[in-house]
Amino acid sequence: AAGVIQSPRHLIKEKRETATLKCYPIPRHDTVYWYQQGPGQDPQFLISFYEKMQSDKGSIPDRFSAQQFSDYHSELNMSSLELGDSALYFCASSLAGDTQYFGPGTRLTVL
Amino acid sequence: AQKITQTQPGMFVQEKEAVTLDCTYDTSDPSYGLFWYKQPSSGEMIFLIYQGSYDQQNATEGRYSLNFQKARKSANLVISASQLGDSAMYFCAMRGAMKTSYDKVIFGPGTSLSVIP
Repeated sequence: AAGVIQSPRHLIKEKRETATLKCYPIPRHDTVYWYQQGPGQDPQFLISFYEKMQSDKGSIPDRFSAQQFSDYHSELNMSSLELGDSALYFCASSLAGDTQYFGPGTRLTVL
Repeated sequence: AQKITQTQPGMFVQEKEAVTLDCTYDTSDPSYGLFWYKQPSSGEMIFLIYQGSYDQQNATEGRYSLNFQKARKSANLVISASQLGDSAMYFCAMRGAMKTSYDKVIFGPGTSLSVIP
């Protein structure tokens, strides 16, 4: 069965640079979620989109923005990167608020 | 506010034995969903099992079963016949009331399970 696809899988950036993470949800899923998981921590909700509209917002820094496109893929844009942004970023998708299936994650390292 | 508690930071189990991972939760929502996810050292987050708050029976998925005690607000995961590949971090998670079709999930701190040969 098709799963959530995230790219890139690994990303290394310098402080103050920008990064764009991409997420392709499971086909026919209508909701996309972004989570951030710091080292040794549980995932923290950042933002979600339902039918291409932002539906909920968590502890997402103002330096981050996200959107969902007409083909339902989503991008998380991160600017002015800080050392503390180093984390595993997950995208998850669901159909009508049902079980969220997670992608493999993008491991971001900020140097 | 919703909260998930997992009181076992680390657990060990002998291969082929059963193990129970504890999870308690707190919510004021009358309707909610409970999940367990597995995160191996490779990092991916794998969905294991789901229990709805109004489900009459405990959920089961293969070797995984969820011991749901609503009055005690607990949703323990039972893994039967442990395998070496079960060694991973296990997260209990909760989704709130279905006010909308897109409620976020909150996670507990996780339990690290190690299966011993």
